[in-house]
Amino acid sequence: AQTVTQSQPEMSVQEAETVTLSCTYDTSESDYYLFWYKQPPSRQMILVIRQEAYKQQNATENRFSVNFQKAAKSFSLKISDSQLGDAAMYFCAYRSWGAQKLVFGQGTRLTINP
Amino acid sequence: DTGVSQNPRHKITKRGQNVTFRCDPISEHNRLYWYRQTLGQGPEFLTYFQNEAQLEKSRLLSDRFSAERPKGSFSTLEIQRTEQGDSAMYLCASSVSSSTDTQYFGPGTRLTVL
Repeated sequence: AQTVTQSQPEMSVQEAETVTLSCTYDTSESDYYLFWYKQPPSRQMILVIRQEAYKQQNATENRFSVNFQKAAKSFSLKISDSQLGDAAMYFCAYRSWGAQKLVFGQGTRLTINP
Repeated sequence: DTGVSQNPRHKITKRGQNVTFRCDPISEHNRLYWYRQTLGQGPEFLTYFQNEAQLEKSRLLSDRFSAERPKGSFSTLEIQRTEQGDSAMYLCASSVSSSTDTQYFGPGTRLTVL
């Protein structure tokens, strides 16, 4: 079974600075998807960014980018120019190719200091 | 597109009672998922529907849990004879069959079993 590990329960960053959230996963599969979801306090989870394992190029979405290291089974999220609205729980998730369920990590709580 | 909606948002019940939650997916989304999220943890997959067919169930879904999606639109999740360990946030998500198949989450139903 696949597992996802987020080793940083909490992170904090000064507004406008850059922060990197870590995620590692364990799988024997070669084709899969990886995701970062954001869950603001008392609000619903939203997708931040996704990466297909067959793509070597790292995904980017505006201020959000990933560092996907397939051999190391690592998938970190970099948030540039942090904003107060980025404060949330961030979850890393894995989905097997052809499957539907998401396997989530434990989450990292990100605090933005003004 | 009004997003995924879930009702009720909060439910407090006594141990041994039955509860039912409802999820309305984004219109035209043919896939619907239920997850459970306990405090401080990432969501865990419970079950998944494609149209009205329940295609996958987690081992977490004990005999006391049942989910339905009778007309391929809204879904209900029923928990019979609730236990204190059932206290959690129950999340619903939906997606449309596609190459991206992004899951969009609802706000969740928070269940407290006294």
